[in-house]
Amino acid sequence: DAGITQSPRHKVTETGTPVTLRCHQTENHRYMYWYRQDPGHGLRLIHYSYGVKDTDKGEVSDGYSVSRSKTEDFLLTLESATSSQTSVYFCAISSSPVRTSGIYEQYFGPGTRLTVT
Amino acid sequence: RKEVEQDPGPFNVPEGATVAFNCTYSNSASQSFFWYRQDCRKEPKLLMSVYSSGNEDGRFTAQLNRASQYISLLIRDSKLSDSATYLCVVILSGSARQLTFGSGTQLTVLP
Repeated sequence: DAGITQSPRHKVTETGTPVTLRCHQTENHRYMYWYRQDPGHGLRLIHYSYGVKDTDKGEVSDGYSVSRSKTEDFLLTLESATSSQTSVYFCAISSSPVRTSGIYEQYFGPGTRLTVT
Repeated sequence: RKEVEQDPGPFNVPEGATVAFNCTYSNSASQSFFWYRQDCRKEPKLLMSVYSSGNEDGRFTAQLNRASQYISLLIRDSKLSDSATYLCVVILSGSARQLTFGSGTQLTVLP
């Protein structure tokens, strides 16, 4: 299994409070991603990073910010949590490219279950 | 129309059966294709990449049809442990390795 950890694994917080989720990898991969997964919507990309201090928005970035100050850590922050942000959050990393096919595979962390009350 | 669409499922099959899932994608510029497996309350895990020529990994066979813009997954001799949700995943060319996920197809293999 790829070396990806997420913390916390579970969190309950109140509406309006800031929340930071952490993703840590030991694979030294360049690309890191944050997704959320909700029933009926599947997995949706929030933000991704293509290097230290290099990040970009995904499909559902409103209400979220990210930071990557080190290769191994990618932080997701909910500035002021809302009930609509109750979800399961997955971090992912990209493996090294396969030269012959150019296929880039992603590996996921165990997820963080966030409940906003 | 969703960018990636899958059979709605759920599929309930007996042990030993052969089952096939299809997935269609809307963007003809899509470049890379995968099948992921997700067990209940767990993270998605890569099952197999889908190559242009099709590929096989044990009981699993993946096919790509670029002309019709669909990929398929065939599972032969189903095992109870194959019960999971199977996610079709597509990477668009030039998308900096962003994946687009289908909503998944749930498979239950019955004893």
